[in-house]
Amino acid sequence: QSALTQPASVSGSPGQSITISCTGTSNDVGGYDYVSWYQQYPGKAPKLMIYDVTNRPSGVSYRFSGSKSGNTASLTISGLQPEDEADYYCSSYTRSITYVFGTGTKVTVL
Amino acid sequence: EVHLVESGGDLVQPGGSLRLSCAVSGFTFSSYWMHWVRQAPGKGLVWVSRINLDGSETNYADSVKGRLTISRDNAKSTLYLHMNSLRVEDTAVYYCTRGIDAGSSRIGFWGQGTLVTVSS
Repeated sequence: QSALTQPASVSGSPGQSITISCTGTSNDVGGYDYVSWYQQYPGKAPKLMIYDVTNRPSGVSYRFSGSKSGNTASLTISGLQPEDEADYYCSSYTRSITYVFGTGTKVTVL
Repeated sequence: EVHLVESGGDLVQPGGSLRLSCAVSGFTFSSYWMHWVRQAPGKGLVWVSRINLDGSETNYADSVKGRLTISRDNAKSTLYLHMNSLRVEDTAVYYCTRGIDAGSSRIGFWGQGTLVTVSS
């Protein structure tokens, strides 16, 4: 199972909006609405930010939102803040009854 | 409060074995799917395995199939990962993770991880 494709890095200024893409195939992202997004600070465990494409867990800021079109899912961070600087990973359930993560995106707040 | 505490990580030689444990508290362990996810130093997240509520169903990434075995003891609220025929490329932090909510297999909550180093 190949990793889902994410841009290596995305940057933005405080207050701006950024979008991270996550591209898979019809066997994973395109075939199921089971895409999740995780935030990870250096040396820390990942934290769930979005699940089932668009759902936000309790306690996660409204500034984080998810969407999907075809084989590509997206995470949008609006009103970018310094504390949003972290690595972000997408994940999807697959037709092989496994899960696959994305390659990861480093978000930099300029 | 939910807690997932991994242990058992160590330095082991190629071809060796290891057993990781994940002790949980703060929720009804037997009601949740559990997973192991690993992350090599400086690299991305890689899904390893999952197990259903009573341990009757398990799934594995192709890269670990036949070498790593996931299991659980609901009476002890503990998840395990039995690791055999270890390779240098198995070196990683191994995270114990829980389903988003009871009965859900999607990965929600993460432990802090335990480091496995495979080297001669």
